[in-house]
Amino acid sequence: DAGVTQSPTHLIKTRGQHVTLRCSPISGHKSVSWYQQVLGQGPQFIFQYYEKEERGRGNFPDRFSARQFPNYSSELNVNALLLGDSALYLCASGTGGVGNTIYFGEGSWLTVV
Amino acid sequence: QKEVEQNSGPLSVPEGAIASLNCTYSDRGSQSFFWYRQYSGKSPELIMFIYSNGDKEDGRFTAQLNKASQYVSLLIRDSQPSDSATYLCAVNPDNFNKFYFGSGTKLNVKP
Repeated sequence: DAGVTQSPTHLIKTRGQHVTLRCSPISGHKSVSWYQQVLGQGPQFIFQYYEKEERGRGNFPDRFSARQFPNYSSELNVNALLLGDSALYLCASGTGGVGNTIYFGEGSWLTVV
Repeated sequence: QKEVEQNSGPLSVPEGAIASLNCTYSDRGSQSFFWYRQYSGKSPELIMFIYSNGDKEDGRFTAQLNKASQYVSLLIRDSQPSDSATYLCAVNPDNFNKFYFGSGTKLNVKP
């Protein structure tokens, strides 16, 4: 079975631009979450979607938004990019519920210049 | 106060030794605990998880949980240079996907 797939793997954007990151979860997993990891820190929770509904949101500005599609894939959108948005964006797939474990994709490396 | 705290290291151990990685967490109601390994430039990969107090062994890895002390540890026996990576401790308070991660401990295993 395929693992969590993310695209694109690397991208460079200019301040003020918009970016869309995409994720396909492990087959059978209905929960997708997004994390931001900056250098030297652990992943920070951004959003969680379960069965296409937002179940949680981390402490990120409204420039960050996400959605989950009927096939459980997801996309993360970031508007008005800032230099500080440069990070590794991780998508995590899980079953949700008791005993939930999450598995990460390869990540999308975003550089804002 | 951070939800999950780890010593950033680096922790250096010789090849073949036992590496001990530690983590404390603040939410006393947390139910599940995880260790992830992250190689430089790569995404985190799950090593193991633990839900109950005590020890859980998987190959060369042993996770230890003490909920009363809010303490989780990971022991790596017979450490290998390939174990050199950053180890992330994570806590899942509510059994959904909002995991809290520590900043990670960098482990160096010297040949």
